[in-house]
Amino acid sequence: QSVLTQPPSVSAAPGQRVTITCSGSRSNIGVKYVSWYQQVPGTAPKLLIYDNNRRPSGIPDRFSGSKSGTSATLGIAGLQTGDEADYYCGTWDISLGAGVFGGGTKLTVL
Amino acid sequence: QLQLQESGPGLVQPSETLSLTCTVSGGSISSSSHYWAWIRQPPGKGLEWIGIISDTGSTDYNPSLKSRVTLSIDTSKNQFSLRLNSLTATDTAVYYCGRGKHDEDWLDPWGQGTLVTVSS
Repeated sequence: QSVLTQPPSVSAAPGQRVTITCSGSRSNIGVKYVSWYQQVPGTAPKLLIYDNNRRPSGIPDRFSGSKSGTSATLGIAGLQTGDEADYYCGTWDISLGAGVFGGGTKLTVL
Repeated sequence: QLQLQESGPGLVQPSETLSLTCTVSGGSISSSSHYWAWIRQPPGKGLEWIGIISDTGSTDYNPSLKSRVTLSIDTSKNQFSLRLNSLTATDTAVYYCGRGKHDEDWLDPWGQGTLVTVSS
C-alpha cells in the first residue's frame, strides 16, 4: 500500500486531455515539492515534472503539474499514442524521513 | 551529461546479501546540493524508495527496509553502493540508482536499472 494514492488507470482518446491525481497528507505533499515520472514498460522512469509544476528541458508543454493542499495533479494535453506509459508521483515524507511514491497510473490512449 | 550505471549480480541466493554499485559518469558525485538514491521495482509493481546518501556519507533509509540496508559512497571512484541482507523472494526487483535534489526531492537522471532475482 503506497503512501501516495493514484488511480490505477486512466484512458482517453488521442488529442484529448487527461489528468492524474496524487493524494497524500500533511506530512508529505502538504509540505514538500511533488515530482512526476513517466515510465515506458521495460525502461527506467523519466522525470516529467519537478517542484510541483516545472518541466525539465526537453519535456513538452503538453505536460503540466499543479498542487493544492495535500494533493497534486499531472495534466497531459493533446494526447499522443506515444504517451502510453505508467506515471508516478513522488515526494518526501517528513514523518517517515524517506522518499515516497504513488502506486502508479497506467495511461491508455484509446 | 550525467549518467548513472548500476552493476552487480543478477541472481542471489535467499538469506544472502545483495551488493550493488552505481557508477556516476559525466559529472562529480561530490555535490552539496544533490544526494544519491536507490529505488526498486518488483516485477509488475510500483516504485519503492530504498534510501539516499549524500557525498558526506549521511543517509536516510525507508523505515520498512532500514534494518537490512546499508548505503555507502566512494567519492574517489565516483560510486555509491547498496547492501541489502537477509534476502527473500520478495526482494526480487529491478534496482535503480538515481540522483536526487536536496529539499526538492526530484530524481534525475536514473540509471537503466538492473534486475536482481532472489532464488535458489
